[in-house]
Amino acid sequence: GAVVSQHPSWVICKSGTSVKIECRSLDFQATTMFWYRQFPKQSLMLMATSNEGSKATYEQGVEKDKFLINHASLTLSTLTVTSAHPEDSSFYICSASKRDISYEQYFGPGTRLTVT
Amino acid sequence: GESVGLHLPTLSVQEGDNSIINCAYSNSASDYFIWYKQESGKGPQFIIDIRSNMDKRQGQRVTVLLNKTVKHLSLQIAATQPGDSAVYFCAENTRNTGNQFYFGTGTSLTVIP
Repeated sequence: GAVVSQHPSWVICKSGTSVKIECRSLDFQATTMFWYRQFPKQSLMLMATSNEGSKATYEQGVEKDKFLINHASLTLSTLTVTSAHPEDSSFYICSASKRDISYEQYFGPGTRLTVT
Repeated sequence: GESVGLHLPTLSVQEGDNSIINCAYSNSASDYFIWYKQESGKGPQFIIDIRSNMDKRQGQRVTVLLNKTVKHLSLQIAATQPGDSAVYFCAENTRNTGNQFYFGTGTSLTVIP
């Protein structure tokens, strides 16, 4: 068990448009979900922590209005990149923590975003 | 975020040899560490974890060593196989600040057949 999916796996969008990425825990309830971005040959950078039913907590330097996070249920969190620009092109990865086992994180396969 | 770094960005080893990947962290309050493996185009995969009340933990072909005095941990892979080729990250957590994890730079391991 503990499978996390992301959709889409890759997306190409035009500059100025918005794109939504979904993160789902398929076989468990996720108390908390995390969003990371990763540039080529670099590490994962934590963007925000998302708790079901409450506002996301963003890391320093991450624009809240740029990266909208919604965690509407215990199995779904979404990240919307608004008014995307080429510099937003990156690999976005989510992870989820099981209810009551907060330190175990299960990662999704990632979403490759390319903004043209 | 926290500062967690790795000493070597790349590492090449012969198949069958042992690999050692190092990680330095700066937050002395960090009390939980995880090593992840990431293959190209995929999400990280959990390898092994260690809490700060331990110095060593062993798994299948992997051993993590933690030296809190110098804020350093290492991942040892025994009898490295071609399937071990990937990027390896350490990630650290400080329990009293929540369940966020911060990742180190990463080391790219290449196993030479």
